Amino acid sequence: NAGVTQTPKFRILKIGQSMTLQCTQDMNHNYMYWYRQDPGMGLKLIYYSVGAGITDKGEVPNGYNVSRSTTEDFPLRLELAAPSQTSVYFCASSYQSGLAAHNEQFFGPGTRLTVL
Amino acid sequence: DAKTTQPTSMDCAEGRAANLPCNHSTISGNEYVYWYRQIHSQGPQYIIHGLKNNETNEMASLIITEDRKSSTLILPHATLRDTAVYYCIVRSYGGSQGNLIFGKGTKLSVKP
Repeated sequence: NAGVTQTPKFRILKIGQSMTLQCTQDMNHNYMYWYRQDPGMGLKLIYYSVGAGITDKGEVPNGYNVSRSTTEDFPLRLELAAPSQTSVYFCASSYQSGLAAHNEQFFGPGTRLTVL
Repeated sequence: DAKTTQPTSMDCAEGRAANLPCNHSTISGNEYVYWYRQIHSQGPQYIIHGLKNNETNEMASLIITEDRKSSTLILPHATLRDTAVYYCIVRSYGGSQGNLIFGKGTKLSVKP
């Protein structure tokens, strides 16, 4: 299993440009998440999804959009990039159910985004 | 979810035990203690979790006080590769979101 994969690893955007950060997991997890991490800080939740076709906002959703058309993929869209979106973006997945022992989350390697 | 308090940084000599404390005085009865770590520039990695009993796995041990208001993560024989930021997280089992709330964590530096 590849686990959680993210592309690209690095990207530089100009203000106002748009892009999509890709995230794929091959563990058949139902839950997927997008976090951002600013320098020296902990992770903050942007959006999450509890299954295909279902998404919801996290702590810092402004400026982002997501979709979940399949179990495996959870892309994050930036429509009008701003310098405040310069950050490292992590995608994660987990299996959640009423009988799950715990919600261990598996993280991807991250995408380092700079907006100039 | 309850908040946690961790020291900003700690040092540990290679080969010695690293003991990382965490305070969670407002923890409620259905909340678990989770530990994750983040090695430089990588995604966070799950280490261990527990409710009220002490737990051990191949990576670490988790000691939770009887009143559950604090816990300690123990890396029994720290190596240079254990240098990382360690996050103590308290949250309910399951839940509608399932997300983890990360603070700033403890930066552990293992020195030769």
